[in-house]
Amino acid sequence: QVQLQESGPGLVKPSGTLSLTCAVSNGSITSDNWWIWVRQPPDKGLEWIGEIFHVGATNYNPSLKSRVSISLDKSNNQFSLTLTSVTAADTAVYYCARVLGIGPNFEYWGQGALVTVSS
Amino acid sequence: QSALTQPASVSGSPGQSITISCTGTSSDVGGYNFVSWYQQHPGKAPRLMLFDVSHRPSGVSDRFSGSKSGNTASLTISGLQAEDEADYYCSSYIRTTPSTPGYVFGTGTTVTVL
Repeated sequence: QVQLQESGPGLVKPSGTLSLTCAVSNGSITSDNWWIWVRQPPDKGLEWIGEIFHVGATNYNPSLKSRVSISLDKSNNQFSLTLTSVTAADTAVYYCARVLGIGPNFEYWGQGALVTVSS
Repeated sequence: QSALTQPASVSGSPGQSITISCTGTSSDVGGYNFVSWYQQHPGKAPRLMLFDVSHRPSGVSDRFSGSKSGNTASLTISGLQAEDEADYYCSSYIRTTPSTPGYVFGTGTTVTVL
């Protein structure tokens, strides 16, 4: 079974850059899949951040598009999220996941990483 | 893109059936048969329960079923069990313009087993 694991700093200063990595095991980042990032502010709902295809094509949530970037690291079988100019509103648990086929079918998820934006 | 609308809470007794609605627009739920449902227990990652409106991934109980009519999708849980107590989210493919595909989640529904 494919496993995903998020990692990165748990605390980021306001106006700084949030960077997270999702390591994939028991599966290849170059397989014919989309890979996504989702976030969930404390006690709130889920928000789709964006996705990347194994060939590097990306799609982003329009509300975050000006600040977000998702990239692949094929040599390390992982993909990354970068979010710039963060504020307290970006405090959330960030999840990475793999998409099954076409559609919002996020079949394998990481355990999530809490990122707090605070000075 | 606005979140899909779900009731904040639904409750039922063990053995009963409950239905959770998920209302969107013609740009998302109504426009595509790409609607999924997720179950999330506290402190855990979401779990995919249904995809493509009504298909169950391997390992998901057949007590979970889905349907769609117009701009509203629905998740029905039959034979409600204590372990079904969780938050549930719908999600849909969305394309607001030809060049902006993506996904949108529902507002979430807390299911309580009485």
